[in-house]
Amino acid sequence: NAGVTQTPKFRVLKTGQSMTLLCAQDMNHEYMYWYRQDPGMGLRLIHYSVGEGTTAKGEVPDGYNVSRLKKQNFLLGLESAAPSQTSVYFCASSPQGWEQFFGPGTRLTVL
Amino acid sequence: GENVEQHPSTLSVQEGDSAVIKCTYSDSASNYFPWYKQELGKGPQLIIDIRSNVGEKKDQRIAVTLNKTAKHFSLHITETQPEDSAVYFCAASRSDYKLSFGAGTTVTVRA
Repeated sequence: NAGVTQTPKFRVLKTGQSMTLLCAQDMNHEYMYWYRQDPGMGLRLIHYSVGEGTTAKGEVPDGYNVSRLKKQNFLLGLESAAPSQTSVYFCASSPQGWEQFFGPGTRLTVL
Repeated sequence: GENVEQHPSTLSVQEGDSAVIKCTYSDSASNYFPWYKQELGKGPQLIIDIRSNVGEKKDQRIAVTLNKTAKHFSLHITETQPEDSAVYFCAASRSDYKLSFGAGTTVTVRA
């Protein structure tokens, strides 16, 4: 039981490049979330999903898109990366929307 | 949206002493209050949570208290050990299952 896994662990992009972060969970959880963590600011919700095929905006959605085509996967896309998107990105999943289980994170640097 | 404030931002305690972290929230409709522990280079891990219909909850050396009237909740760690050193985050959520996090408290336990 791997829990929540994130790919890749580290990535460096140039401004304007695009990329996709993959989150996978093997716990059959309905809810999945993407957060970003910046120094001194805690975690902020980017987008979330309450089930396969659904997505919704969180607190800081601008510049990001998401998709949940399969229940176990939640993808976060950056179409045109900006230095302000330099952050650590965490994915989480939850069986019923309360207790959330986090992945190990992806450290993204945009030059 | 919900605004969660967390204090102090750093806390240094002697091994064996107690540590207390306090959070306040703004939305009176919030009804779920989890606490997460994050070790260096890892994702946050849920350590304890409390619902709005409960005033206090304990789990071994960890306890959480909730004052709904004053809109604040606290984490208490007793008999601190070196492995308690980490960053702790409080969070609050309404029934929309979206967590709003505090900025975090870095706890250092001195041997």
